[in-house]
Amino acid sequence: EIVLTQSPATLSLSPGERATLSCRASQSVSSSLAWYQQRPGQAPRLLIYDASTRATGIPARFSGSGSGADFTLTISSLEPEDFAVYYCQHRSNWPPEGFTFGPGTKVDIK
Amino acid sequence: QITLKESGPTLVKPTQTLTLTCTFSGFSLSTSGVGVGWIRQPPGKALEWLALIYWDDDKRYSPSLKSRLTITKDTSKNQVVLTMTNMDPVDTATYYCAHRGSAAVMDVWGQGTTVTVSS
Repeated sequence: EIVLTQSPATLSLSPGERATLSCRASQSVSSSLAWYQQRPGQAPRLLIYDASTRATGIPARFSGSGSGADFTLTISSLEPEDFAVYYCQHRSNWPPEGFTFGPGTKVDIK
Repeated sequence: QITLKESGPTLVKPTQTLTLTCTFSGFSLSTSGVGVGWIRQPPGKALEWLALIYWDDDKRYSPSLKSRLTITKDTSKNQVVLTMTNMDPVDTATYYCAHRGSAAVMDVWGQGTTVTVSS
């Protein structure tokens, strides 16, 4: 079973700063990695899939990179609405399709 | 526009069976490649995937919860139902359903429904 680790657990930054979030898999997941944003009291929202493809309607300040076991979500310049929790997720094809989430990184206001 | 909404009891007693319904619009669960999944989130904790049903009625379950879960669909009603047996206080969580699209990710989520397990 693949385990996802996210770092740091909490990232304290100011609006306008650059955020770099990491997700590491316990073994290679190729490019089968997605990122979700969850604001307080809201459902998760898909940001990035296939490691680097932005979902529909997601601003260009969000970008994903990486392959294999190491992935990064970058927010180029934080907007007030970006302070939230971010989860990475892997979709496995074999054995039968399943989904694994990381523990999350909280981006809060410094 | 795809929308999903979860419904079900807000309070269940330990050992009872939980039944949740996801009612959706904006897509058909008979379209190839489409699925609906369930995910939960205990208070203050991370997301946990539970189950997924596909357009062709194929089903997938979290290995750790497989023995307790059943997922079914009613295409004519645009609904997906999740049952979880033998509920325990640790199952207290917000339960979400989500659309699984062609990119094979959960691309649209419902608002979630909160379930508390307590006697």
